Amino acid sequence: QKEVEQDPGPLSVPEGAIVSLNCTYSNSAFQYFMWYRQYSRKGPELLMYTYSSGNKEDGRFTAQVDKSSKYISLFIRDSQPSDSATYLCASSIYNQGGKLIFGQGTELSVKP
Amino acid sequence: SQTIHQWPATLVQPVGSPLSLECTVEGTSNPNLYWYRQAAGRGLQLLFYSVGIGQISSEVPQNLSASRPQDRQFILSSKKLLLSDSGFYLCAWRGQDLSFPDTQYFGPGTRLTVL
Repeated sequence: QKEVEQDPGPLSVPEGAIVSLNCTYSNSAFQYFMWYRQYSRKGPELLMYTYSSGNKEDGRFTAQVDKSSKYISLFIRDSQPSDSATYLCASSIYNQGGKLIFGQGTELSVKP
Repeated sequence: SQTIHQWPATLVQPVGSPLSLECTVEGTSNPNLYWYRQAAGRGLQLLFYSVGIGQISSEVPQNLSASRPQDRQFILSSKKLLLSDSGFYLCAWRGQDLSFPDTQYFGPGTRLTVL
């Protein structure tokens, strides 16, 4: 079993839809949770960062962590064609050299 | 501000040939540095990380090696490439903002095709 599981998709939605991207993890020692966005043939860019259970909002993006169920979510409101990318969730454990464990990534396509 | 460079951007190499990929970081000192490989449609696999000059930790046994000859330079090498070495190679540095531990920032990547 991978430590971080993510449905690879692809996921296709119409413009303006609400998108829900999800990951599950198995290691209860994970403390930090991140979402990265990766456009085709580019390096990933940090999108959202959360430390504890709860929600964090940044514009159209909301990151949610539920440590009791080991579930990580990213919601995108009013999705735009420019949101079309692969979204990677990542987790880490405190004081482990900053190593991140990534999910497989979900490919999202937002159709105009 | 910090920037990270990787070169070359793309590379096509025959099986059995050597490899050298370079990563440099600007605007920060003594960063933790990481090499990842991303196969098509897959997530990121951590290959090596370094906490300082000459200090390399290998995460996965493989045909590759890494070196850190200078504080902001990280090199990925191979003596003889295999077909299975094809992929997208990414270098990253660890952010030093204590408010956001363990964040990593990625370079543009090198796409390697081994034929």
